[in-house]
Amino acid sequence: QVQLVQSGAEVRKPGASVNISCRTSGYTFTNYYIHWVRQAPGQGLEWMVFINPSDGFTRSGQRLQSRVAVTRDTSASTVYLELSSLKSEDTAVYYCARGPYDIFSSYFDSWGQGTLVTVSS
Amino acid sequence: IVLTQSPATLSLSPGDTATLSCRPSHSVGGHYLAWYQQKPGQAPRLLIYGTSSRATGIPDRFSGSGSGTDFALTIRRLEPEDFAVYYCQLYGSTPLFGQGTRLDIK
Repeated sequence: QVQLVQSGAEVRKPGASVNISCRTSGYTFTNYYIHWVRQAPGQGLEWMVFINPSDGFTRSGQRLQSRVAVTRDTSASTVYLELSSLKSEDTAVYYCARGPYDIFSSYFDSWGQGTLVTVSS
Repeated sequence: IVLTQSPATLSLSPGDTATLSCRPSHSVGGHYLAWYQQKPGQAPRLLIYGTSSRATGIPDRFSGSGSGTDFALTIRRLEPEDFAVYYCQLYGSTPLFGQGTRLDIK
């Protein structure tokens, strides 16, 4: 079955960077996009960025564009999210999610379990 | 575009029918919508995609409809496990979520 397994919780100081992994299995890695969505405590969902694992193309939302980077390792069927220059408002649960191989058909049919990132001095 | 979900909270009883609204601030023409259910401490779960198609394993009590600036998720014959937070999400190269509707047990 399709599985997305994320790395564990992280604590960082303001200004630092964090790297989260999302290991996928149960399907052909290069046939689906991987998106990252975050959720601040008690808040709603915010889409951040996607990657096309086939060619590495990424697109991010304007708000985070300068601080977010996504890469993939096709041999390991794994996607990595890096968020830099962390602020306290980046404290959130970060989810990876699978979407169709279509830049405009962006819905998310399988989700990772979430990774809590806490930014605190 | 802003997606506005209403009501913010909906209090109903098991067996009732819930109608959740999602309204884009501008007409989204041929763009589609998805709906998700989220329970405390869990990742969201896809319910509806393509505005009205049920995801795998989703019972037919859940239905999606709408176009333009008026979309809805309808849940008939509410069961105890349906009480959760529901999010709509607009397709696109930069996807957008609504702020959520909390469905509470009355």
